[in-house]
Amino acid sequence: NAGVMQNPRHLVRRRGQEARLRCSPMKGHSHVYWYRQLPEEGLKFMVYLQKENIIDESGMPKERFSAEFPKEGPSILRIQQVVRGDSAAYFCASSPAGTGGEKLFFGSGTQLSVL
Amino acid sequence: SQQGEEDPQALSIQEGENATMNCSYKTSINNLQWYRQNSGRGLVHLILIRSNEREKHSGRLRVTLDTSKKSSSLLITASRAADTASYFCATDLTGGGNKLTFGTGTQLKVEL
Repeated sequence: NAGVMQNPRHLVRRRGQEARLRCSPMKGHSHVYWYRQLPEEGLKFMVYLQKENIIDESGMPKERFSAEFPKEGPSILRIQQVVRGDSAAYFCASSPAGTGGEKLFFGSGTQLSVL
Repeated sequence: SQQGEEDPQALSIQEGENATMNCSYKTSINNLQWYRQNSGRGLVHLILIRSNEREKHSGRLRVTLDTSKKSSSLLITASRAADTASYFCATDLTGGGNKLTFGTGTQLKVEL
């Protein structure tokens, strides 16, 4: 019973390149959440998706960031033209139904380093 | 603004002692959850307390919730070195649609 799988575990990009972070939710979960964590800080909500739909993207920067959760395959968080300030740990979480009052299951995260 | 603020930011205790962490929040919630994060890893859910509950237990964990004061506490009894981690409270805001808002965390170090 695999948990939430994120890859890559570590990603190094130069300024201006694109970063693609992938997340496969737990089996049977159709709701995915992306969070960003800066060193010594808590997690900041970015976006909440259900299969093929973005439910809440209130935490996403207006430019360069996008997310999708296609009918088939993992959820993708895409960062275009990365800058040094994008360096952080990006965590994905999933839940079964998104009805509220649920606990989230987290992946181990992707550590993005921008040179 | 930060919804959840944990206190203290860091806590160092001896093995066998109890550890208490506090969390304050600002707006109405459906439930409050506590998570644990080991260094460089993802978060692991510990316990969930609903807004109509006042206290909940799970093994060596005891969580209280005071909605009038908008605060919660996490007590770890008889701590072990393996409890060393960061602990975060997260609030499920009323009308928030299962989006959790995390606090800044308490770094707990349990020494032998």
